[in-house]
Amino acid sequence: SSELTQDPAVSVALGQTVRITCQGDSLRSYYASWYQQKPGQAPVLVIYGKNNRPSGIPDRFSGSSSGNTASLTITGAQAEDEADYYCNSRDSSGNQFGGGTKLTVL
Amino acid sequence: EVQLVESGGGLVQPGGSLRLSCAASGFTFSSYAMSWVRQAPGKGLEWVSAISGSGGSTYYADSVKGRFTISRDNSKNTLYLQMNSLRAEDTAVYYCAKVGSGWYPSPYFDYWGQGTLVTVSS
Repeated sequence: SSELTQDPAVSVALGQTVRITCQGDSLRSYYASWYQQKPGQAPVLVIYGKNNRPSGIPDRFSGSSSGNTASLTITGAQAEDEADYYCNSRDSSGNQFGGGTKLTVL
Repeated sequence: EVQLVESGGGLVQPGGSLRLSCAASGFTFSSYAMSWVRQAPGKGLEWVSAISGSGGSTYYADSVKGRFTISRDNSKNTLYLQMNSLRAEDTAVYYCAKVGSGWYPSPYFDYWGQGTLVTVSS
């Protein structure tokens, strides 16, 4: 089955903009969703569909997609954004998550 | 307020069985697909299984197909995961998640429980 590939780690200076990417063939057909997970906590949905934020998610989080790549952008990263981020999409047999990206805010 | 509360985790020997439950509240349970997602210690998220709102359609990851069975009781607002022939690699925190849309075309998981730990070891 197809895979979703994410960079294992990304860092960003406080207040700067960071893009986290997710690559996979399934993204040509299906939207990605994005999840934030902090240590010891359950994941939290931050972006879904074309570029939708659930209630309570700050507008500094946005999503985009082009070809086989989906991106999560954090504009003006805050210290509380330091976390693991996972992309997710359907695939031919069910559903799949990317391997996750650990975001460090410097 | 949407709440998902998992239970049923614990220590089980390889080859054994376990049934997880997820009690849901705060939404019309029967109207939404539900899913199980797991996370092995120190590892990433892995989708396990999903079920439609009516229970008529089920979906499984290849890694659990034939060993795990997802089901739901809409009269009790409860989701289940029956896990048989357990292996060491099934050791993980198992999360119950509500699907925010239908399973087609692009599902997403808008609410998650806190998870229940399953440890498969002799």
